[in-house]
Amino acid sequence: GQQVQQSPASLVLQEGENAELQCNFSTSLNSMQWFYQRPGGSLVSLFYNPSGTKHSGRLTSTTVIKERRSSLHISSSQTTDSGTYLCALEAPLSFGKGAKLTVSP
Amino acid sequence: EAAVTQSPRNKVAVTGGKVTLSCNQTNNHNNMYWYRQDTGHGLRLIHYSYGAGSTEKGDIPDGYKASRPSQENFSLILELATPSQTSVYFCASGDHSSALYFGAGTRLSVL
Repeated sequence: GQQVQQSPASLVLQEGENAELQCNFSTSLNSMQWFYQRPGGSLVSLFYNPSGTKHSGRLTSTTVIKERRSSLHISSSQTTDSGTYLCALEAPLSFGKGAKLTVSP
Repeated sequence: EAAVTQSPRNKVAVTGGKVTLSCNQTNNHNNMYWYRQDTGHGLRLIHYSYGAGSTEKGDIPDGYKASRPSQENFSLILELATPSQTSVYFCASGDHSSALYFGAGTRLSVL
């Protein structure tokens, strides 16, 4: 099946710092999606981003098809950003194992 | 916003018993999916469906059956539950090349 590699697996930041999360894919991609999950919670879609750059508030997603990668940038992190961020490739989605972000006050 | 509702939210079952997890979506999506999430494994696809009457095997279908009786409903069935099936199960719906929407999850414990 499709392989999705996420990095880093975990990240600890001080409030106000920026975060960069990466996803790399072993196959060519047609669509990809970024999700956010609180501990014990459901998955909330952040971006559906098959190519290019998309912005939403402090979040930016950039997908480069030729390089088989996608990134999620969080600027000026807040404690409420803490949780797990997952990327997923074309449905039926293949998920990365997630990146656990902890933002300290 | 797409609405995906799972029931029950929590379930305790006995080994060898039958368990049915239900999922309902109200946005007329063609595709529906069942995943399980376990520490160290992330989200893994069990079964999925492209429309009423169709079911497809995902990456880990053994021990599970699925049923899609209508556009709105997609069930996951454990005929003979085992402790290894203790997990959190998520249902999702969407259409091809569009965003996927998840339910709140079902926490299943098999004793």
